[in-house]
Amino acid sequence: GQQVMQIPQYQHVQEGEDFTTYCNSSTTLSNIQWYKQRPGGHPVFLIQLVKSGEVKKQKRLTFQFGEAKKNSSLHITATQTTDVGTYFCAGPNSGGYQKVTFGTGTKLQVIP
Amino acid sequence: DTGVSQDPRHKITKRGQNVTFRCDPISEHNRLYWYRQTLGQGPEFLTYFQNEAQLEKSRLLSDRFSAERPKGSFSTLEIQRTEQGDSAMYLCASSDRASGANVLTFGAGSRLTVL
Repeated sequence: GQQVMQIPQYQHVQEGEDFTTYCNSSTTLSNIQWYKQRPGGHPVFLIQLVKSGEVKKQKRLTFQFGEAKKNSSLHITATQTTDVGTYFCAGPNSGGYQKVTFGTGTKLQVIP
Repeated sequence: DTGVSQDPRHKITKRGQNVTFRCDPISEHNRLYWYRQTLGQGPEFLTYFQNEAQLEKSRLLSDRFSAERPKGSFSTLEIQRTEQGDSAMYLCASSDRASGANVLTFGAGSRLTVL
């Protein structure tokens, strides 16, 4: 079945440093989504990328979808304590089914 | 509409008992998903409905688990003869094709503890 892996599993950064998490799917994705889960909370949708090679920005966050539509990355510039949480990539495979598979997640801790 | 609602938020039960969780999705959303999440892990897909039709069910789901969405609105997830390994957060999410294919809006979850 489809597997979605993320690295690193954990990341501790000093406030102001940059952060990147990488997402790799075993199958081609029709789109890639990113979610953020705060400690004790539930996943909250951040963004969706659909096109091969697409890059989108949200303030300090930059999201990229790979050319082969099997990988993606999220980069945060100048982290803040409000960025703390676990970041998940997720996506349906390109087989026409609607099952959305989540990645393993990257837990970000920002040290003030 | 205030989003996806789940009830109860917390459930403590003894091994062997049955439990049922309810999810009320966003009213205009025709797709409803159930996920399970354990500590430190990503949400694990359980099942998916489009309107009242259950279109996919995880092979990881044992026969003790059953989900329904009888009128295409709210959904229930029942776990029979609970085991300690069933302890987890059960998350419901809904989506609507018009708002973006498969973009999920999650509820706050129902946390199950099996003693």
